[in-house]
This record gives sequence, C-alpha cells and structure tokens, in this order.
Amino acid sequence: AQSVAQPEDQVNVAEGNPLTVKCTYSVSGNPYLFWYVQYPNRGLQFLLKYITGDNLVKGSYGFEAEFNKSQTSFHLKKPSALVSDSALYFCAVTAGNNRKLIWGLGTSLAVNP
Amino acid sequence: NAGVTQTPKFRILKIGQSMTLQCTQDMNHNYMYWYRQDPGMGLKLIYYSVGAGITDKGEVPNGYNVSRSTTEDFPLRLELAAPSQTSVYFCASSRGSTGGSYNEQFFGPGTRLTVL
Repeated sequence: AQSVAQPEDQVNVAEGNPLTVKCTYSVSGNPYLFWYVQYPNRGLQFLLKYITGDNLVKGSYGFEAEFNKSQTSFHLKKPSALVSDSALYFCAVTAGNNRKLIWGLGTSLAVNP
Repeated sequence: NAGVTQTPKFRILKIGQSMTLQCTQDMNHNYMYWYRQDPGMGLKLIYYSVGAGITDKGEVPNGYNVSRSTTEDFPLRLELAAPSQTSVYFCASSRGSTGGSYNEQFFGPGTRLTVL
C-alpha cells in the first residue's frame, strides 16, 4: 500500500536560518512526489514536484526538495527562512497509474523573527 | 483565469438537511477532486472524476454524492447532514495525464461547513 509520513507535527526555526521539513514515502514503483503549502484560511498551493530526472528539485518561493531513493525521502528545504514562510506544509505521493494522491498529515512551520 | 472557485464560503446546516457545494474550474482540466480537511487529519479524498460523466469514490465517500456533467463543474451533494460532516471542503483540479497523476493539483479556497 502507498503511504507518506511527515514525522514532525511542527517545526520551529529562526528567521534567516535554513529550514527542513521532512517527508518519507512508501510506494510500489517509481514515485511522483509533491509539496504543497497552505496559508491560514486558504486552499493548498503547489510548491514543487519530483517526477523523474535530477534529484534536486527547485520550486516556488525559494524552496527546494531532494529526492533520495535509497532513503525513500523527499525533504523540503530552504536556505534562509522568512517569517512569511510560516504555514502548513503537505507532502503527497503517487505512483504508476494511480490517479489519486496520498497525502501526509502536514507539518506546521513557524518561523520566528 | 479565476482558477478553481467554490461556493459558498461558509455554511451552517442543521442535522438532516441537505446541500450542494459548488465547484467550477476554468482551466479545462480533466481531473477534479473533492477533499475534506479535519484538524490534524490532513486531506481525505471524498470523490474524484477523470472527465465529464466519470466519477469514482475516494477514501471517505459515505454521505456524499457527486456528478460531472461538464468539464468545468463538479458539485458535491450532502444528503442528510450529520455532525461528523463538519469540516472544511476543498475542490481541486489538474490536467489529465496518460497513466497516473503527475500533474499538480490546483485548489479552490474551500467551504467551511458546520452541522449542528
């Protein structure tokens, strides 16, 4: 069965410091991996995805993520956090011909000034 | 491009009432989805559609119905509302892909529903 885990409910980081939001997955076959962000009282917005190719994927707002096949991980990173990055972050995965995404439970990121 | 629009934004229902949540997208996307989001529970897929006239159940379809008569519209019907259906509902759409869902989903702003 496909699954995705976000092991941290909350991540706190100081403004200007690097941030990492973790995601691990389990699928049969090659994964398609996604990160989305949700600001308060808003719908989810797409940040970036890995389908194939380069393991380091760059996305919106300066975020990037690294696909690690051996560790089945797809951690979201940003070199220098902003207070405005404070939001809820969701990792999602699918594989093969599956038409549905499997969603993580989300990680709340708080960037402190 | 308005993207994905949802109406209403907020609604309070009494137990046993029915209502339809509207969702429209103007991006000519084949795939459309309905999710519910409960605190700490992430997103749960209710129903999805891969094209007009085609719908399928997600993880939590009980108590809901959908139809997809056009590419643009994907309404969600709640029959006999129950307190367990209190949630935030999101509609999303994506471009269809041959085999799998590797195109990103675009989300509407959500409908906050309370059943009392």
